[in-house]
Order: sequence, then C-alpha cells, then structure tokens
Amino acid sequence: KNEVEQSPQNLTAQEGEFITINCSYSVGISALHWLQQHPGGGIVSLFMLSSGKKKHGRLIATINIQEKHSSLHITASHPRDSAVYICAVRGGNQFYFGTGTSLTVIP
Amino acid sequence: NAGVTQTPKFQVLKTGQSMTLQCAQDMNHEYMSWYRQDPGMGLRLIHYSVGAGITDQGEVPNGYNVSRSTTEDFPLRLLSAAPSQTSVYFCASSYWRGYSEQFFGPGTRLTVL
Repeated sequence: KNEVEQSPQNLTAQEGEFITINCSYSVGISALHWLQQHPGGGIVSLFMLSSGKKKHGRLIATINIQEKHSSLHITASHPRDSAVYICAVRGGNQFYFGTGTSLTVIP
Repeated sequence: NAGVTQTPKFQVLKTGQSMTLQCAQDMNHEYMSWYRQDPGMGLRLIHYSVGAGITDQGEVPNGYNVSRSTTEDFPLRLLSAAPSQTSVYFCASSYWRGYSEQFFGPGTRLTVL
C-alpha cells in the first residue's frame, strides 16, 4: 500500500513546454513537500504547502486538501529542469514519499 | 551553516561487516531521520528522532540501529551488513513543530558484497 502516488513515472518534454506532475496521498497530513533530485545528486526542497498555491520562478505548486491531491507545474520548461521530482507528505511523526517522476526536457 | 553533512560518501562492505554512517546538522533541528533510496521504490524511512534521547523505528528498521545523544548528531549503525542493504542512504533534518522543510544530506552510496 503506497501512501503517496505520483504520476507520471516518466515524462519527456520539449524545451518550452508546460509540465504537470501529479501527486495523490491517502494519509491525513499536516504538510506536503515537493522535492527535486538531479542525477547523482542530492535532494533539495522546492515547496512546502498545506493549502492553496505557491509560486517560485517558473515553478507552481498547488494542493487540494479535500481531494488529497497536489500538482507541480513547470512553465517554459528548460533542459536544466531535467531531474526527478518527488512528492512527500508529513503524517504524524513520519514522512511518506512517492516514487518520483523522472523528467527529461529536450532542447 | 554547513547544513546536513554525511560521511562517508561511498562505502564498500563485505557481508557481515559492521559500520556507522555519520550524520550531523548545525541548524538546531529537533527532527532527524534516515532514509534509504532504492530504484523504483522511493525513499523509505529507516529510523527517526524527534529530539536528543528519543528515537523510533520507521518502515524498514531491521538491521539498523540509531542513537541520538546530541541534537546535532544522528549516526546510523549497520550491525551485520547484508547485500540487501546495498542502497543510497540519506539523512535529513527539520524543525518539528509547525511547518518546516526537510534538509537532506548529500547521501552515502553503500555497496555490500
């Protein structure tokens, strides 16, 4: 049983395309996180949100608490956006992670 | 601030050997945790701590021990390494009360032969 499901697993886009990654969760949460991991690299936090919408540069994250769903959008995608994007939720004393969406942006 | 540091970056062990992965943070975070990342499985929680002297098991604790004697340090011990413990290990920390992002260490790539 996976507490966090992400889709799609893999995504290839042309540079400049609008990208959406989806995350659904089944546990009660206090916050949802979007993380980014470059190949062979560490993990960095992009967003933490508990309601509504947040924007940082070309990245936008939204969450619908009632539907237990979040989306990460990337506008005007660029090859440097190529990475694995991970959705994580905090439920109680633990964090639960999706398996990640591997994004490749082709020039 | 150094953030979250982990050592070593790479390690090769033989089956049955023991070792300790080190993790330290300088942000005065209460919450620290260890995860393993395996292909296709996402990050899985091994152990976590909500403060010095307090630790608890996560999803995959078997074969690992932890202790938290100070706020800064949270070492992970492999008692008797097995090939199934070949993985990339990440340590993370955050504040616990309120909403706080997690900060991750750079990871340790462990191979058990």
